[in-house]
Order: sequence, then structure tokens, then C-alpha cells
Amino acid sequence: KAGVTQTPRYLIKTRGQQVTLSCSPISGHRSVSWYQQTPGQGLQFLFEYFSETQRNKGNFPGRFSGRQFSNSRSEMNVSTLELGDSALYLCASSLELTQTNTGELFFGEGSRLTVL
Amino acid sequence: AQSVTQLDSQVPVFEEAPVELRCNYSSSVSVYLFWYVQYPNQGLQLLLKYLSGSTLVESINGFEAEFNKSQTSFHLRKPSVHISDTAEYFCAVSEGQGNLIFGKGTKLSVKP
Repeated sequence: KAGVTQTPRYLIKTRGQQVTLSCSPISGHRSVSWYQQTPGQGLQFLFEYFSETQRNKGNFPGRFSGRQFSNSRSEMNVSTLELGDSALYLCASSLELTQTNTGELFFGEGSRLTVL
Repeated sequence: AQSVTQLDSQVPVFEEAPVELRCNYSSSVSVYLFWYVQYPNQGLQLLLKYLSGSTLVESINGFEAEFNKSQTSFHLRKPSVHISDTAEYFCAVSEGQGNLIFGKGTKLSVKP
């Protein structure tokens, strides 16, 4: 069974540009969460989707957005990139809401974004 | 607001020695507790979890953690570490709302 797949794995952008990251959850998983990992702030929750609905959102500016499609695949978008957006963006999936709510997540390997 | 404190940012230890990675949390409600591990250039993997029941939980590779409600702690221990245990370990809590709060991580370095 394939794990959580994130694309692209690495990307470099310049300030002011926008970026879209993609996440394919484990087959059958319906919940997708996104986290940002930086050396300074550590792991921070961005948002969580279940059945195409955003259920929960972290404390990030409106430049960060996401969506989930009917096949459970998810994308997140960051507009008007800033240097501080350089980070590893991790996607995680879980089978059911109960597992999402308790925190039992399966993580992908992440998309490493560098903003120059 | 809930928070997680991992008291040690780095823990060096020799192979076959015991290790304890400390984790304390603050929350006004009941929580679920986790340890996740991150190997270099990889995502996070769930190592073990406390949801309810027995306060001592174990992983398949010899790690264990004990939930101590009075001390609001969830320390991770292993009696004998291997080189392959070298990784970064993250303690996390959930209040059941769908988001995890992570500690800053502890880098475990096992030396031969």
C-alpha cells in the first residue's frame, strides 16, 4: 500500500511568487492535514480537510490556503511568498475522523520550499 | 492554551546505553499523547501513542512511554539504544480537535 505522496519534493521560488503543493493520501484515507516545519518555529498546524471541507485551521495568514478534492487529494497554496515561508511542508492523512481528532496521522516525506 | 515542552534539544548517548527523552505538556482538558520520530530527510512516523487505558505504552522497536497525569509528562525511554535509533523525536498532544501541538523536538544521537 503506497504511503502519503507529496509533490514536488523540492522547489525554489523567489519572493512575491506563489506556490502550489500537492498531497495524495494513503488509499482510502479521507482526512488530510498540513503542517509547516521550520528550524525556528518547529512543527505548526496549517489546516485539516475531511470530505472536501476545511474543518480546522491554524494561525497562519490568509496567504496560506488549501483545498481537498473528491478523491481526497489535497493541495495547498501560498501566495506572495516571503523569505520566512521557507520550510518543509508536511502532509498527513488518516482513515477516519476519529483518528484525525486523536492525532494518529500518517505523514508524507514533505515538500521542501526555499524562498530566495 | 495547550503547549508541549521537550526539555532537551539534543541527547548524545552511546550504543546499548539507556535513554530517556523528556516531554511535559500543559492543557486544561484531557489529551491524547504521541511520540513521532523523524529520520533524516523523511517525514514523521508515529512511534507510540496514549489514547486511554494503561498509562504505559510500548512500541514494536523497544521504546516505551508513560503517561503521568499528575506531572503532566509523557517521557520516552528505551533500555538499550542502537545506532539506527539516531533520529529526531517529537512529542505531541491533541485535545481531540483535529490538530496536533508538537514540541520542538529532541535529536537523539547514538554513538558507537
